[in-house]
Amino acid sequence: DAGITQSPRYKITETGRQVTLMCHQTWSHSYMFWYRQDLGHGLRLIYYSAAADITDKGEVPDGYVVSRSKTENFPLTLESATRSQTSVYFCATLFVGGGLVAKNIQYFGAGTRLSVL
Amino acid sequence: SQQGEEDPQALSIQEGENATMNCSYKTSINNLQWYRQNSGRGLVHLILIRSNEREKHSGRLRVTLDTSKKSSSLLITASRAADTASYFCARNNAGNMLTFGGGTRLMVKP
Repeated sequence: DAGITQSPRYKITETGRQVTLMCHQTWSHSYMFWYRQDLGHGLRLIYYSAAADITDKGEVPDGYVVSRSKTENFPLTLESATRSQTSVYFCATLFVGGGLVAKNIQYFGAGTRLSVL
Repeated sequence: SQQGEEDPQALSIQEGENATMNCSYKTSINNLQWYRQNSGRGLVHLILIRSNEREKHSGRLRVTLDTSKKSSSLLITASRAADTASYFCARNNAGNMLTFGGGTRLMVKP
């Protein structure tokens, strides 16, 4: 199916373990993003990528690592999970649009619900 | 930190009524977007309004933008139970980045 796929949908892990959340898109959109969503905070940007091999920090990058060796994949790794990283994680791609004015519309995956015990 | 807030945080109405949600922001924008999130799902783009536009319509949705007050509103007319969701505004300040607010949780009772 075309679109953006996140896996796993649900993950339970223990403090100190390494966890990788996967994100795959079939559109070849240049930009990809990782957000976390917590009650009372809305969506906060963790990392983003403008293209393959180009990544940059967002608002809350500490404790996370990303890579983008291929345009279609943008994995997010929690190097040593902590309880404060219990959250719902969303991956998104950006459709810039054509014409004279860019549209900057983002398309979201279904999310990964991560619990760190 | 988020650059704006949605108001109210939660809204409960009866089917058929109109729902109005507001979004305020602090810095100038290129455009402002509204997204919808059903429970347990990702966000879905609803509508975009550019900084030089004042009002935009899409079906039962009406969005207004007042750049002098740095605020926007989303009106859903003749609401349905299926409109129950969280609604987020997102500001495009520069480049390709969006900043999301905390959202408004809308419940439409049948």
